[in-house]
Amino acid sequence: AQSVTQLDSHVSVSEGTPVLLRCNYSSSYSPSLFWYVQHPNKGLQLLLKYTSAATLVKGINGFEAEFKKSETSFHLTKPSAHMSYAAEYFCVVRFYNFNKFYFGSGTKLNVKP
Amino acid sequence: DGGITQSPKYLFRKEGQNVTLSCEQNLNHDAMYWYRQDPGQGLRLIYYSQIVNDFQKGDIAEGYSVSREKKESFPLTVTSAQKNPTAFYLCASSSGQPLTDEQYFGPGTRLTVT
Repeated sequence: AQSVTQLDSHVSVSEGTPVLLRCNYSSSYSPSLFWYVQHPNKGLQLLLKYTSAATLVKGINGFEAEFKKSETSFHLTKPSAHMSYAAEYFCVVRFYNFNKFYFGSGTKLNVKP
Repeated sequence: DGGITQSPKYLFRKEGQNVTLSCEQNLNHDAMYWYRQDPGQGLRLIYYSQIVNDFQKGDIAEGYSVSREKKESFPLTVTSAQKNPTAFYLCASSSGQPLTDEQYFGPGTRLTVT
């Protein structure tokens, strides 16, 4: 069965420190992987995506994610947190043979001053 | 500008009334989706459509109905059979092409039923 797991429902960091949001998926099919950000009462905005090209993907605002097939992971990182990055982040997977997107349950990022 | 529009942003209804949420896209996308979002529960798929005049139930379709008469439009009706309709509703679209597919989201409609 296909599934996506975001390992932390809440992450709290201090401003200026690194951010790591973890995502693992489960499937034997080739995936496309996405990270979206959602600010309160807003739609989802695409941060970055992996679609079988380079495994290290760079997105908007300096966010990066690395696809590790052996670990079935796609963790999101940012070297230095800023207050404006406080939001909810969703990991999303689309498997080649399935016309559906699978969503993780979301990680709320809190950034302390 | 290309994108997805949802209207209205806020919607209030009395219990027992049907209500229709609008979703329009001008991205020429074949696929469209409706999601429901509740606090602490992430996004749950209600219905999706891969092509005009065709749609499939998602994970929580009970109490909802949709139509896809035009490529650009995918309205969602929340019926009186939906037991707990108060939620944030998000519409999305995508090209439907497996290797390059990605979803674009609208700004959402917050429905409150009292």
